[in-house]
Amino acid sequence: QVQLVESGGGVVQPGRSLRLSCAASGFTFSNYGMHWVRQAPGKGLEWVAVIWYDGSNIYYADSVKGRFTISRDNSKNTLYLQMNRLRAEDTAIYYCARRMSKMPGAYWGQGTLVTVSS
Amino acid sequence: QAALTQPASVSGSPGQSITISCTGTSSDVGAYDYVSWYQQHPGKAPKLMIYDVVYRPSGVSNRFSGSKSGNTASLTISGLQAEDEADYYCISYTSSSTLVFGTGTKVTVL
Repeated sequence: QVQLVESGGGVVQPGRSLRLSCAASGFTFSNYGMHWVRQAPGKGLEWVAVIWYDGSNIYYADSVKGRFTISRDNSKNTLYLQMNRLRAEDTAIYYCARRMSKMPGAYWGQGTLVTVSS
Repeated sequence: QAALTQPASVSGSPGQSITISCTGTSSDVGAYDYVSWYQQHPGKAPKLMIYDVVYRPSGVSNRFSGSKSGNTASLTISGLQAEDEADYYCISYTSSSTLVFGTGTKVTVL
């Protein structure tokens, strides 16, 4: 069955970096685009970034452009989110989701919590 | 990109029908038939309920239906049940090739 497992979250100081991973299994990872979506505590969902199945196209939300980098390693069935120059407002649960018809589809991970605090 | 506008809350009694609106612009909701809806229960990951405006994924109850008119998409839940109490979010593709979520709607079953 399709499984997405995020990892790499934790507490980090403002201005520092963190890399999240999303390990995929149960499907041919290299055939699907992937999204990152986040949710601040008690707040709504916010789309973060998308990467095409082959990494050929990448798009970001304005709020993270220039600071975050989405990437993938199809040989390792893993999606990444490199987060630099972190801010307090980046504190959120970060979900990865498999792309379907341009959107996050039916398959999501359980999320990993990132807390940016001094 | 500004978030799509949803009502903060909608409520209904069991068995009733409710509709949640999702208002965007001619650069997102109005421009493409790429609108999805998600249900989220507390502490859980979002669940896809509707995609491409009107389509239901396998396993989603036919009590859930989607539609769109102009810059506004809608999710209708018919035969409201206690288990439908949750937060609901719309999302749309945009002319910048990015995505934008709605502000979210809390559905309460009275």
